[in-house]
Amino acid sequence: EDKVVQSPLSLVVHEGDTVTLNCSYEVTNFRSLLWYKQEKKAPTFLFMLTSSGIEKKSGRLSSILDKKELFSILNITATQTGDSAVYLCAGVNNAGNMLTFGGGTRLMVKP
Amino acid sequence: NAGVTQTPKFQVLKTGQSMTLQCAQDMNHNSMYWYRQDPGMGLRLIYYSASEGTTDKGEVPNGYNVSRLNKREFSLRLESAAPSQTSVYFCASSQIKTSGRANEQFFGPGTRLTVL
Repeated sequence: EDKVVQSPLSLVVHEGDTVTLNCSYEVTNFRSLLWYKQEKKAPTFLFMLTSSGIEKKSGRLSSILDKKELFSILNITATQTGDSAVYLCAGVNNAGNMLTFGGGTRLMVKP
Repeated sequence: NAGVTQTPKFQVLKTGQSMTLQCAQDMNHNSMYWYRQDPGMGLRLIYYSASEGTTDKGEVPNGYNVSRLNKREFSLRLESAAPSQTSVYFCASSQIKTSGRANEQFFGPGTRLTVL
């Protein structure tokens, strides 16, 4: 059975701090790993990672995948209150039709 | 483009009642999905439809049925609702290809269902 585990479950930081969110996965016929940000409603896409070691960046957010150790991290630098959300990672199988989600990390950024 | 739309946004049912959650997408995607999200559990796949005319079970299909009415629409039916089905339900769609960002799933706004 495929499994994705995220840590920590929740995190409280102050504006300006840097955070690292973790995602480990066991996905049969793994193809890629996705990161989503979920505020009050639907998850919104952040990154898709397919190859090891290639860092994806979008502004203050960056992510990297390690396919040997089966994990990914999401870094957020200079955090802002608008970064407060639940961050979800999901492993995708090779057919591309099944996502297995982790339980999410709830990030709260205080002013 | 509206993206993925879901109706209703909220619903309260009594145990044993039935209802259908509606989902439509206007992105011409071939694949559609139904998830439920419970506190601390992330998103769990109920059913998916890889293409028009096909449906498959996901991780938690018991108590649900689905219909892929056409390429745009994918409905989820609860025949006899139970309190354990209290959850937030998300519909998603994606275009499955062999490479690129094709695996990104676009989500609807969700339906918050309470079963008393």
